[in-house]
Amino acid sequence: RKEVEQDPGPFNVPEGATVAFNCTYSNSASQSFFWYRQDCRKEPKLLMSVYSSGNEDGRFTAQLNRASQYISLLIRDSKLSDSATYLCVVNGANDYKLSFGAGTTVTVRA
Amino acid sequence: NAGVTQTPKFQVLKTGQSMTLQCAQDMNHNSMYWYRQDPGMGLRLIYYSASEGTTDKGEVPNGYNVSRLNKREFSLRLESAAPSQTSVYFCASSSLTGVSEAFFGQGTRLTVV
Repeated sequence: RKEVEQDPGPFNVPEGATVAFNCTYSNSASQSFFWYRQDCRKEPKLLMSVYSSGNEDGRFTAQLNRASQYISLLIRDSKLSDSATYLCVVNGANDYKLSFGAGTTVTVRA
Repeated sequence: NAGVTQTPKFQVLKTGQSMTLQCAQDMNHNSMYWYRQDPGMGLRLIYYSASEGTTDKGEVPNGYNVSRLNKREFSLRLESAAPSQTSVYFCASSSLTGVSEAFFGQGTRLTVV
């Protein structure tokens, strides 16, 4: 089983729509959770950290469900500029590394 | 604000050739990492350095070596390149290993023919 699994999508949504997707992780001892954004052929960039109580950053909301071992990302009022691949990142079986999901692709259309 | 700088950005090698990818960070981070990214597979850790003077293997270390030259610099060496090493390579750094977020360089697109 992969340490971090994501639905690859693609999620194809119109501007203004809400899109949400999850990521599951295998290590119940994981303590650090992040969402990264990666644009085509560019480096991943931190979108937001995910805290136990859930957190918001503008139109983006992240949630953590430890019991079911998943994190989620919700994007409200989607913009064309939100089109990207979103990577779920969890600290893995050992504390020394971050494990990356393969990414969920979101395409926002006009 | 350079952050993490990788060189070169692009490289084509012939099978059996060697090369070194360079990485430097100016954020005074303790930890540095080398990842490779292949289509549909996400980023996989090749090697990491939790602090200056230490290096350890990640998920896919075979065919690679690393050197943590000082706190700023972490290089990745391919001694005898193989077509299976065609990939995009990213260097990253973080203040605390596996806990704090990682900051990435712009990547090196390597093709081995």
